[in-house]
Amino acid sequence: KAGVTQTPRYLIKTRGQQVTLSCSPISGHRSVSWYQQTPGQGLQFLFEYFSETQRNKGNFPGRFSGRQFSNSRSEMNVSTLELGDSALYLCASSYAYEQYFGPGTRLTVT
Amino acid sequence: DQQVKQNSPSLSVQEGRISILNCDYTNSMFDYFLWYKKYPAEGPTFLISISSIKDKNEDGRFTVFLNKSAKHLSLHIVPSQPGDSAVYFCAASLRGTYKYIFGTGTRLKVLA
Repeated sequence: KAGVTQTPRYLIKTRGQQVTLSCSPISGHRSVSWYQQTPGQGLQFLFEYFSETQRNKGNFPGRFSGRQFSNSRSEMNVSTLELGDSALYLCASSYAYEQYFGPGTRLTVT
Repeated sequence: DQQVKQNSPSLSVQEGRISILNCDYTNSMFDYFLWYKKYPAEGPTFLISISSIKDKNEDGRFTVFLNKSAKHLSLHIVPSQPGDSAVYFCAASLRGTYKYIFGTGTRLKVLA
């Protein structure tokens, strides 16, 4: 089975711009979660989607949004980028309790 | 408020010895716990999990212990191998949800 794929792998944006990240889950997985990883902060939960509905949400500002399509693929959008948004963004898909992560998208905001 | 804590940012162990990674949590509603391993430039890889109805789960060289009264779990790796060198994250799930809270990670270095 193919793993979780994320595109793009690397991205450089400037402050004030917006960005869209994409995640394709493992076939058959209907839950997709997004995390932000920064040094010293571990993985911070952003949100989780299941069957095109946001089921869980973390404590991030409204600039961070997401959606899920009928084929379970998910996108995450960050508007009005700030320097502090520079991080590794990880997507994970799951069928039951175990989550399987993609390689992440490294976003750098300058 | 960090609900899942890994108080040791790093750990060094000799090859062949036991590695013990610790994790503490504060929320008694957590009912499922997982350990992940992460290499640089890769996403975390699922290692092993444990439900709150158990106190031990083994998978090969990896054993996770759960002490609910102390709100503490640990991952034992025996014997440790140089390929185990990575960052290890523990995670906890809130009962009835699929929301996972991760610790900040422990960097394990296994010395040959």
